[in-house]
Amino acid sequence: DIQMTQSPASLSASLGETVTIECRASEDIYNGLAWYQQKPGKSPQLLIYNANSLHTGVPSRFSGSGSGTQYSLKINSLQSEDVASYFCQQYYDYPFTFGSGTKLEIK
Amino acid sequence: QVQLKETGPDLVQLTQTLSITCTVSGFSLTTYNVHWVRQPPGKGLEWMGAMWNGGGTDYNSAFKSRLSISRDTSKSQVFLKMNSLQTDDTAKYFCARQRVYYGLPDYFDYWGQGVMVTVSS
Repeated sequence: DIQMTQSPASLSASLGETVTIECRASEDIYNGLAWYQQKPGKSPQLLIYNANSLHTGVPSRFSGSGSGTQYSLKINSLQSEDVASYFCQQYYDYPFTFGSGTKLEIK
Repeated sequence: QVQLKETGPDLVQLTQTLSITCTVSGFSLTTYNVHWVRQPPGKGLEWMGAMWNGGGTDYNSAFKSRLSISRDTSKSQVFLKMNSLQTDDTAKYFCARQRVYYGLPDYFDYWGQGVMVTVSS
């Protein structure tokens, strides 16, 4: 199985700041990577697919980048509604695997 | 409007069988794949298995011996059944939609709200 190592586990930032979350795969996943946002008690919502494509309706302050085994999610101009947990997922190969998540809070 | 909704028990007894139904609307089960993912309290997500649009299934080997996924296309429902439940099966269970993309693996574009299941002794 492909292991996904996500960091940091938690993050605290001020409104308007830029934050970055990283995911490292145990092998090349050829951009088969998605990022999801999950608010407490809710289901995950797709933000980014194919490592860098923005899902319909997602604000442009979210962006994804990376290749090979290293990927990142950047959130520009942090807003209060961005408080959530964020997960990466590789869908290059089955079984699909997820990062352990990053909990984002506002300072 | 695409929707997925999981229904199932809140509580299941140790060693018993869990049955959850995912009812979908806004799309056809013959056009999209539906997957099951679970999330133990405070923990990450774990892929369990899939119902393919053609009716086949695939399972995470971590569950293979006790997990079964089926469907009723006439009712737009996908079913998860897992037996021999243990306390570490306590989790929120989600169904999620995946497009059919040239037979290649793809991301989940819509998820249900999930159903929280507690396994009790």
